Amino acid sequence: DQQVKQNSPSLSVQEGRISILNCDYTNSMFDYFLWYKKYPAEGPTFLISISSIKDKNEDGRFTVFLNKSAKHLSLHIVPSQPGDSAVYFCAAKRRTSYDKVIFGPGTSLSVIP
Amino acid sequence: SAVISQKPSRDICQRGTSLTIQCQVDSQVTMMFWYRQQPGQSLTLIATANQGSEATYESGFVIDKFPISRPNLTFSTLTVSNMSPEDSSIYLCSVGGGARTGELFFGEGSRLTVL
Repeated sequence: DQQVKQNSPSLSVQEGRISILNCDYTNSMFDYFLWYKKYPAEGPTFLISISSIKDKNEDGRFTVFLNKSAKHLSLHIVPSQPGDSAVYFCAAKRRTSYDKVIFGPGTSLSVIP
Repeated sequence: SAVISQKPSRDICQRGTSLTIQCQVDSQVTMMFWYRQQPGQSLTLIATANQGSEATYESGFVIDKFPISRPNLTFSTLTVSNMSPEDSSIYLCSVGGGARTGELFFGEGSRLTVL
């Protein structure tokens, strides 16, 4: 049973436009959400996070939106750049010490110059 | 942040053999995590490695198949035993940047192909 879902395995966006990556979760106990980016032959790197007490968190070109009632979050990248081309993993956890992080299957983003 | 080095970065292995992956962190950490990413799939936690005690395994993973060592606060090994083609995956070592927030730092991964 997949607790974190990313229903789009891939996404292509023109450079300069907005990229929107979506994520759904099923476990209502999750209260902290993270996005990771992964380039080929590298480990995932932390990108941005959001606590369940917020509905938006922004960091430069990256904004994460959380809709708790819908159990849905999204990552917006504006403007998209070719260097953003990577696999993006949505992840979730309960905010208790050392509780494990559950990852979604990932969305492969291609930003076309 | 933490700098994590993994060895080997990749290997091709024969069915029935075992391979040990090493993970070195540039700072002392309480817990180290081992993940697996099978082809086209997500990252799945195999086990949590605690220094001075036995590793804690997730459902579906057992110590006989994935023995883990944690001899000190900067080093851990994961062994993939009696390998089969289904074990072909990327194995990732990680440490927690914030225990309460779940931010993890990952090594570059070890890509194993089992023939």
